[in-house]
Amino acid sequence: GQQVMQIPQYQHVQEGEDFTTYCNSSTTLSNIQWYKQRPGGHPVFLIQLVKSGEVKKQKRLTFQFGEAKKNSSLHITATQTTDVGTYFCAGVNNDMRFGAGTRLTVKP
Amino acid sequence: EAQVTQNPRYLITVTGKKLTVTCSQNMNHEYMSWYRQDPGLGLRQIYYSMNVEVTDKGDVPEGYKVSRKEKRNFPLILESPSPNQTSLYFCASRRTGFINEQYFGPGTRLTVT
Repeated sequence: GQQVMQIPQYQHVQEGEDFTTYCNSSTTLSNIQWYKQRPGGHPVFLIQLVKSGEVKKQKRLTFQFGEAKKNSSLHITATQTTDVGTYFCAGVNNDMRFGAGTRLTVKP
Repeated sequence: EAQVTQNPRYLITVTGKKLTVTCSQNMNHEYMSWYRQDPGLGLRQIYYSMNVEVTDKGDVPEGYKVSRKEKRNFPLILESPSPNQTSLYFCASRRTGFINEQYFGPGTRLTVT
């Protein structure tokens, strides 16, 4: 069945540094979604990518969907303490599979 | 306010004592699902429901039951909880169709001793 791998598992950065998390699927995806979970909170939808090679931006966050629709990345420029949390990708095909998440901590 | 609610938020119980975690959504979503979250494993789907009276197994259904008698409610039942079911549980809902974000409930932290 479909598997979604996400790396790294943890990332600790100094405030102002950039951060990237990567997601890879074992199968071609219909689309991919990204969620953020603040500490002690629940996952909250950030964005969905549908088209091959698609790039979307939300302020300091840049999301990419690979040409083969099997991988995706989330890049945060100049991290802030408000970016702390766990970022999940979710690959969508006939069903939805979540990656294990990348936990981001930011040192002020 | 559009939301998914879960109760209880925290529960400590003993092995074998049946329990139910309730989930309700007010967005008229057809699709509802249950996930468990464990460190390093992300969100794993337990059961899902495409609509009323339609349920199906997710990736980790063993030891769990669900029912969908009404569109808004999707309770998770543990008939005989065991310590390996200690976890953080999330209910989620969305409209059907593949381009639809999921809305998650606040989570239920369950400890089985």
